[in-house]
Amino acid sequence: GAGVSQTPSNKVTEKGKYVELRCDPISGHTALYWYRQSLGQGPEFLIYFQGTGAADDSGLPNDRFFAVRPEGSVSTLKIQRTERGDSAVYLCASSSGLAEYDEQFFGPGTRLTVL
Amino acid sequence: SQQGEEDPQALSIQEGENATMNCSYKTSINNLQWYRQNSGRGLVHLILIRSNEREKHSGRLRVTLDTSKKSSSLLITASRAADTASYFCATDSGGGADGLTFGKGTHLIIQP
Repeated sequence: GAGVSQTPSNKVTEKGKYVELRCDPISGHTALYWYRQSLGQGPEFLIYFQGTGAADDSGLPNDRFFAVRPEGSVSTLKIQRTERGDSAVYLCASSSGLAEYDEQFFGPGTRLTVL
Repeated sequence: SQQGEEDPQALSIQEGENATMNCSYKTSINNLQWYRQNSGRGLVHLILIRSNEREKHSGRLRVTLDTSKKSSSLLITASRAADTASYFCATDSGGGADGLTFGKGTHLIIQP
């Protein structure tokens, strides 16, 4: 079946520009997560949605980062005034949101490069 | 910030040998999971162990958890070239769906 998909797979932008990264979760999954992975590091949690609402946004590094999930399915991570330090792979994951333990299924990621 | 550390950072062994990776974490946890990441398949869940469990097996994988030492180990037996990847431990401290905290990973290379 279809897994988590992310678009674009690669994004190159210039410092100061605005970018949007999209995540399509597995159909029916109510929980959606965004992570960021820098080179040589493990993924770092950014934000978690349960349905349409952000249940935990404690990982967002600053107010340049924002994410939405208006209909409880597709999510968009938005980064304003990009900086070179934002360069990383942005990973999205989804889970059913139902069980006490809920396996997260990860997408292939979007590689963001800020020049 | 990263929850913990895996060690070693890199490990190279011959095909057929066993590979052991360790993970330490800092705060109390609900579950600990191990993930594998390679360029071909992205990040894939391998196994989960709950905080009240001490050992778990899945195929060629064996995971142990010592909550008193805040550490876990992943053993891969009879390694194969396809096991070449980065391995991460990840913890969650709450109940239900929760953001995961990953370590920095161990890069495992299996020499044919």
